Amino acid sequence: AQSVTQLGSHVSVSEGALVLLRCNYSSSVPPYLFWYVQYPNQGLQLLLKYTTGATLVKGINGFEAEFKKSETSFHLTKPSAHMSDAAEYFCAVYGNNRLAFGKGNQVVVIP
Amino acid sequence: KAGVTQTPRYLIKTRGQQVTLSCSPISGHRSVSWYQQTPGQGLQFLFEYFSETQRNKGNFPGRFSGRQFSNSRSEMNVSTLELGDSALYLCASSLEQGSSTEAFFGQGTRLTVV
Repeated sequence: AQSVTQLGSHVSVSEGALVLLRCNYSSSVPPYLFWYVQYPNQGLQLLLKYTTGATLVKGINGFEAEFKKSETSFHLTKPSAHMSDAAEYFCAVYGNNRLAFGKGNQVVVIP
Repeated sequence: KAGVTQTPRYLIKTRGQQVTLSCSPISGHRSVSWYQQTPGQGLQFLFEYFSETQRNKGNFPGRFSGRQFSNSRSEMNVSTLELGDSALYLCASSLEQGSSTEAFFGQGTRLTVV
């Protein structure tokens, strides 16, 4: 079964610094990968997705992720953190007609 | 275009009671999935409905059930509530079933069991 692993439940980043959230996947078939963001008391909003094609995927709010098959990774980055990026971020893989989510990263932005 | 609507947003129930949550998908979307989110277990898949048929089910007890109506609206029901059922229940709608199309999530229903 497909699965994803996110390490480090809490991530602190200074305003203006690089945001890097790591995601590694396990899949027996070419994966469909997603990053979602969740703000307090809200549902999930799609940041970006990888299905096929270009391995560098650009999403909303300045985020991007690179699919690396050799490393089974799909890390999320943003060059410069903004206070509004404080939220919880989930990596997910689609398989068996469902999304399987990682445990999430709670991002704290320090002014 | 209206998003996914979940009602109610908040709910408090007593152990042993049953509860019904509602989800209205985006117009034209035929697939509705339900997820449970808790601090300990994270986001877990409950079930998926497509064209009024349950296509997939996660690893939850039979107390958790659902259905989908001809207009694609979906309900999930939890009977004999337990304290551990306290969670945020999220509904997601997609255009199709069994594809990589984007899943749009509602704001969720926060269920508290006391």
